[in-house]
Amino acid sequence: AQSVAQPEDQVNVAEGNPLTVKCTYSVSGNPYLFWYVQYPNRGLQFLLKYITGDNLVKGSYGFEAEFNKSQTSFHLKKPSALVSDSALYFCAVRGLYSTLTFGKGTMLLVSP
Amino acid sequence: NAGVTQTPKFQVLKTGQSMTLQCAQDMNHNSMYWYRQDPGMGLRLIYYSASEGTTDKGEVPNGYNVSRLNKREFSLRLESAAPSQTSVYFCASSGAYGYTFGSGTRLTVV
Repeated sequence: AQSVAQPEDQVNVAEGNPLTVKCTYSVSGNPYLFWYVQYPNRGLQFLLKYITGDNLVKGSYGFEAEFNKSQTSFHLKKPSALVSDSALYFCAVRGLYSTLTFGKGTMLLVSP
Repeated sequence: NAGVTQTPKFQVLKTGQSMTLQCAQDMNHNSMYWYRQDPGMGLRLIYYSASEGTTDKGEVPNGYNVSRLNKREFSLRLESAAPSQTSVYFCASSGAYGYTFGSGTRLTVV
């Protein structure tokens, strides 16, 4: 069965600094990987996905993610954080019948 | 706007009561899902439907039933609600271009 680990419950970063939210995965076969963001009292919004191709995937709101097959990682990154990026971030991997398995989430707090 | 619509948005139930959460999508997706979100546990799959007429258990199906009424609609039923079912419930659908999530139902069982 597939699984996703987000080792950090919370990440703190100052506005303007680069941010990284970590994700590692376990899945049989080729991984289909996703990042979603959730703002307070809202649903999940899609940020980006990796299916195949370049290891650096660019997504919405200036976010990008780096796929590393040897380390089974898919870390989310942004060169310059904004206060408005503060939210809960989920990494997910696609499994059988297109079900998604999510990590436990990482709260990102960007301070002014 | 095209998407996934969930009703109701909020609900308070007493222990032992029953209710059905409704979900409808208008994107002609074959697959639909129900997840629950609990603090520190991410989203966990309750049930899914790979196509009209089929349903299967996910990671946490106990205490729930589902119905794929037609291609558009996928409902989740709690027959006898328990406090452990207090959660935020998300419906989702998927197609060739990815997944779309509803805005969620916040359910409290007292």
